Amino acid sequence: NAGVTQTPKFRVLKTGQSMTLLCAQDMNHEYMYWYRQDPGMGLRLIHYSVGEGTTAKGEVPDGYNVSRLKKQNFLLGLESAAPSQTSVYFCASTLGEGGADTQYFGPGTRLTVL
Amino acid sequence: GQNIDQPTEMTATEGAIVQINCTYQTSGFNGLFWYQQHAGEAPTFLSYNVLDGLEEKGRFSSFLSRSKGYSYLLLKELQMKDSASYLCAPMDSNYQLIWGAGTKLIIKP
Repeated sequence: NAGVTQTPKFRVLKTGQSMTLLCAQDMNHEYMYWYRQDPGMGLRLIHYSVGEGTTAKGEVPDGYNVSRLKKQNFLLGLESAAPSQTSVYFCASTLGEGGADTQYFGPGTRLTVL
Repeated sequence: GQNIDQPTEMTATEGAIVQINCTYQTSGFNGLFWYQQHAGEAPTFLSYNVLDGLEEKGRFSSFLSRSKGYSYLLLKELQMKDSASYLCAPMDSNYQLIWGAGTKLIIKP
């Protein structure tokens, strides 16, 4: 049982390049989330999904797209990377039962955009 | 608006007790989480409070007062491995977590 995994762990991009971050969970969780974490700030929600085939915008969705074609995977895409997208990206998942529904996090992807 | 306020940094001594405070304002409320995050790692779950009062779990306890929009995390018998950031995260009416910036706790021998 690997929990939540993320690939890649590190990446350096040049401005304008594109990339996809992959999140996978093996806990049969319904809900999945993408956050970014910047120094001195709380985790900010980018996009989330409440089930296979669904996605929704979070607090900071601009410049990102997501897809959830399979229940266990949640992809985050950057179509044209900008230096402002330099951050640590965390994926999380939950059962989707509300209330005391604990979020389980992946190890993070450290992205630098030059 | 939604707002979380917790101290940026605290220092404590190994073996001592420390209390990390969090005040919050959210649109609706469905409980409050505390997470621990070691440097360079992912957040991990510590506690969840939805009713007023104290929840004790080993060396860690968490308190909630819904009327005051206030919570604290109490860490007893501090160990060096407790050096980490502690994130306060209330859940709003849409069951979304609103994350504070975290309190960096430094433990000194």
